[in-house]
Amino acid sequence: DSGVTQTPKHLITATGQRVTLRCSPRSGDLSVYWYQQSLDQGLQFLIQYYNGEERAKGNILERFSAQQFPDLHSELNLSSLELGDSALYFCASSDSGASADTQYFGPGTRLTVL
Amino acid sequence: QKEVEQDPGPLSVPEGAIVSLNCTYSNSAFQYFMWYRQYSRKGPELLMYTYSSGNKEDGRFTAQVDKSSKYISLFIRDSQPSDSATYLCAMSLTGGGNKLTFGTGTQLKVEL
Repeated sequence: DSGVTQTPKHLITATGQRVTLRCSPRSGDLSVYWYQQSLDQGLQFLIQYYNGEERAKGNILERFSAQQFPDLHSELNLSSLELGDSALYFCASSDSGASADTQYFGPGTRLTVL
Repeated sequence: QKEVEQDPGPLSVPEGAIVSLNCTYSNSAFQYFMWYRQYSRKGPELLMYTYSSGNKEDGRFTAQVDKSSKYISLFIRDSQPSDSATYLCAMSLTGGGNKLTFGTGTQLKVEL
């Protein structure tokens, strides 16, 4: 158990809908990361937050947004969902968010868009 | 072309075999190199972490980084059925946050 929690475990929804994925980092970690894992693209970095502020951005679609709250939990919002958004979404956390930091991954949320 | 290339396998070996997993990369600016293990339907779990070139050993696992060749390896000695999983290499740059760039993963099966 990495100490990172994610809810829900599974999510099934329809195209065009909006969903929110939630992540709680390990105790004491200030940085949160979101990754998408699909069969064809592998594990891809979406976005990083450090202590409430956006730190780095990857190939995150404009339909996707994230935020980190004062209690350090983070939410990833996915809107206008398409079939291709079906994937595993992982949250990771690390101590300070610096380059050498080890990232610890949560169990993931499996999103299925029908 | 992807920044990090990894043979997807699947790789099947008998119990007790030495396993070699490899990744190549194109961005010479990568400085931090990691190997993660991912069991089916679980989150990636960090196995090994190395900085720049060199070797690192931890129990049955050895990680090697050759920056001149842009090539990293993970060796597993005395492989066990419990090592059956997908192994992902990952790497990151210095500065600008801590984005990890992953290989696509190699699926390993260790058979009795």
